[in-house]
Amino acid sequence: GAVVSQHPSRVICKSGTSVKIECRSLDFQATTMFWYRQFPKKSLMLMATSNEGSKATYEQGVEKDKFLINHASLTLSTLTVTSAHPEDSSFYICSAEDSGSERPYEQYFGPGTRLTVT
Amino acid sequence: AQTVTQSQPEMSVQEAETVTLSCTYDTSESNYYLFWYKQPPSRQMILVIRQEAYKQQNATENRFSVNFQKAAKSFSLKISDSQLGDTAMYFCALSQGAQKLVFGQGTRLTINP
Repeated sequence: GAVVSQHPSRVICKSGTSVKIECRSLDFQATTMFWYRQFPKKSLMLMATSNEGSKATYEQGVEKDKFLINHASLTLSTLTVTSAHPEDSSFYICSAEDSGSERPYEQYFGPGTRLTVT
Repeated sequence: AQTVTQSQPEMSVQEAETVTLSCTYDTSESNYYLFWYKQPPSRQMILVIRQEAYKQQNATENRFSVNFQKAAKSFSLKISDSQLGDTAMYFCALSQGAQKLVFGQGTRLTINP
């Protein structure tokens, strides 16, 4: 149980285009999902907290107009990188909290998406 | 603000040995949760063990155990009888009421045959 998927696992796009990354909780409902960015050999940096049916909460320094987050259902959150540039190339990871879990604050992570902007 | 510090960037031990990874944290909250996550080369984050701050008893999960020292704000992970599959990045993380996870810098652990 508690499986989170991400799609695509890898994506290459040209500079100036937009790319959408999906995060799905497969066997549980997730009121809250999180989006992280990870640079090579570095730790995870929280970008934003995604809440179903409401606006995402972005961390300081993260451009909300560049990284659009939509959490339209209890099992799906999407991250759209708009007008991507090479510096947006990174590994993006989502996680989800099981709304019905008896273990609060435990996040389940997706396998990540490697974005390369050329 | 809460912070998590892992002072060991890399560690290396022989298979079957015991290894301890260090983690210190800072928070002003009295109720919080601490976690150790493992990130193998596949980069999938895997929860290793968790500890509720209100519990005095140290958490254990098979070969993995923690030494939780609340007053010292220390949360170390001990891996007993280490195996080749334990080779990974290990992240210590803190969560408090806001539900956000704050991660440490990570420790790269290599288990040598």
